[in-house]
Order: sequence, then structure tokens, then C-alpha cells
Amino acid sequence: QKEVEQNSGPLSVPEGAIASLNCTYSDRGSQSFFWYRQYSGKSPELIMFIYSNGDKEDGRFTAQLNKASQYVSLLIRDSQPSDSATYLCAVNGGNYQLIWGAGTKLIIKP
Amino acid sequence: NAGVTQTPKFQVLKTGQSMTLQCAQDMNHNSMYWYRQDPGMGLRLIYYSASEGTTDKGEVPNGYNVSRLNKREFSLRLESAAPSQTSVYFCASSELADYNEQFFGPGTRLTVL
Repeated sequence: QKEVEQNSGPLSVPEGAIASLNCTYSDRGSQSFFWYRQYSGKSPELIMFIYSNGDKEDGRFTAQLNKASQYVSLLIRDSQPSDSATYLCAVNGGNYQLIWGAGTKLIIKP
Repeated sequence: NAGVTQTPKFQVLKTGQSMTLQCAQDMNHNSMYWYRQDPGMGLRLIYYSASEGTTDKGEVPNGYNVSRLNKREFSLRLESAAPSQTSVYFCASSELADYNEQFFGPGTRLTVL
């Protein structure tokens, strides 16, 4: 059974600080990794994807992938109240499917 | 571009009733997906269509059927609704199934009484 694990939170971070979200996955063959943001009552929105080991930066967001340790992280710098949401990690599970984590609820405190 | 659209946004059914959820995308994507999301749980794949003319079961297909009507449209049918099917349903699409960057519609909130 392929799995993606995330801490459900909530993770509380002061405004302006760095929020660090983590995700581990079980399938060593996974090649692509995604972070989605989901506001309450809304649909998931793709914010980052990463295919290679190392870091990928996009504005205030950095995705980090370590295939040897089978984890992927999302860092949010200069956290804003508007970053408060649930963050979903997804991993390509083969057969054209994504394997989803249950999400981490992030709360940014003003 | 509207992206991925879903109808209806809300629906209340009685046990045993049937209904079809509609999904359309205007991004010329090849692959389309139906998920359900229950409180405290991640997204669970119901059915997917890797390309026009093909459909396959996902993790939780029981009680559902799908039709890939054409490249743009992918519908989900509940033949005899049950309270356990109360959920939020999301349709998604991706250009290429291999890398699977999926884009989501706004969702349908379904309640079965």
C-alpha cells in the first residue's frame, strides 16, 4: 500500500516567521511531488511541484526533496495570515494516479 | 479560460435517488479525475480517465459510474445514493498523466439524507 504521511497539525506560526511543512512517502519509485494549498470550503490549488532532489524556490515558497530519505518539505518564508490553510502533499503513485496525504492545517498568528 | 468547471455546486438527495455530477475543462488536458473528500481525510480517487475513451477505477469506485463523454467532459453518476456518499466531490484534470500536475474544479457538496 503506497502511503503519504503528513502531520495533521494544526501548526501555529507567528506572522513573519518561516513555516515548515513535512511529508514522507513510502514508494521509492515516485518521481514527482506536489504541494497544494486548500482554503476552508475551497478546492485544492497547486502551489509547488518538484521532480529532482534538492530545493526549488518560487517567491516565498521553497520545496525540498530528499529521495534517499523519502521526504519532501515545503517552507514558507515571511508567513502571512493569508497563508493560513490546509497544505496537501501529493506524490505520483504510478498508474496515472496521485497518492495524497491527509494535509497539515497551518495557522499564521498575527 | 474557465479552467475546470463543475455542476451543480450543492445537491441534497434522498437515499436511493440517482444523480450525475458534471465536469468540464477547457485546458485541452488529456486526463481527468473524480475525487471525494471527507472531513479529516485526504482526497480519495473514485475514477479517472487517463485519455479520451478510457476510464479506470480508483481507490473507492463502489457505488459510482463514470463517462468520458469527450476530451472536455467527464461525468460521475450515483445510481442509488447512500448516506455514506455524503461528501465533497472534486473533478480535476492534467495535461499529461505521467507528471500529473492536476488542476481542480470548485467542487460539489453532496448531502444524502
